[in-house]
Amino acid sequence: DIQMTQSPSSVSASLGDRVTITCRASQNIGSWLGWFQQKPGKAPKLLIYATFTLQTGVPSRFSGSRSGTEFTLTISSLQPEDYATYYCQQAYSFPLTFGQGTRLEIK
Amino acid sequence: QVQLVESGGGVVQPGRSLTLSCAASGFTFKNYGMHWVRQAPGKGLEWVALIWFDGTKKYYGDSVKGRFTISRDDSKSTLLLEMNSLRVEDTAVYYCARGLELLENWFDPWGQGTLVTVS
Repeated sequence: DIQMTQSPSSVSASLGDRVTITCRASQNIGSWLGWFQQKPGKAPKLLIYATFTLQTGVPSRFSGSRSGTEFTLTISSLQPEDYATYYCQQAYSFPLTFGQGTRLEIK
Repeated sequence: QVQLVESGGGVVQPGRSLTLSCAASGFTFKNYGMHWVRQAPGKGLEWVALIWFDGTKKYYGDSVKGRFTISRDDSKSTLLLEMNSLRVEDTAVYYCARGLELLENWFDPWGQGTLVTVS
């Protein structure tokens, strides 16, 4: 199975900050990487798929990138509604696997 | 609008069975692959199963393979998850989610989830 390792496990940031979350795959997954956002007590929501592609309705302050097996989610300017837990997920092979999550907290 | 509503959760003893349902509306159900994903209390996300749009292929996570069965009833726009030989570690909120069109290995939107407690 492909292991997905996220870092950091938690991060504190202020409104307007630029935040970066990293996800590393245990093997090559090409660009088969997505990012989800989950707020407390709510179902997750897909933000980005295929490394770069924003899901419909997702603000442009979210972006994704890739360098080899390392993937990055960037929020360019934190908004109040962005405080949540973020998960990466590989869609390259079965079983589909998630990272362990990164909790984004208010500083 | 697209809506997914899970039901069938509850408290069940270890070793017993339970079937979850997901009622879909607001889209043409038979055109989409469908997933189950679960989340243990206070933990991260774990993918459970996928069924292709036409039901011809099914895939499972390692921890549920051989015990859980995903199926669909397109006449009722309903996704099912039959769970057998339940274990304490199967305790989780179970979400159904729709695969993306032509990229069914990603999924959105999700339902609100149904809690299964094995105890």
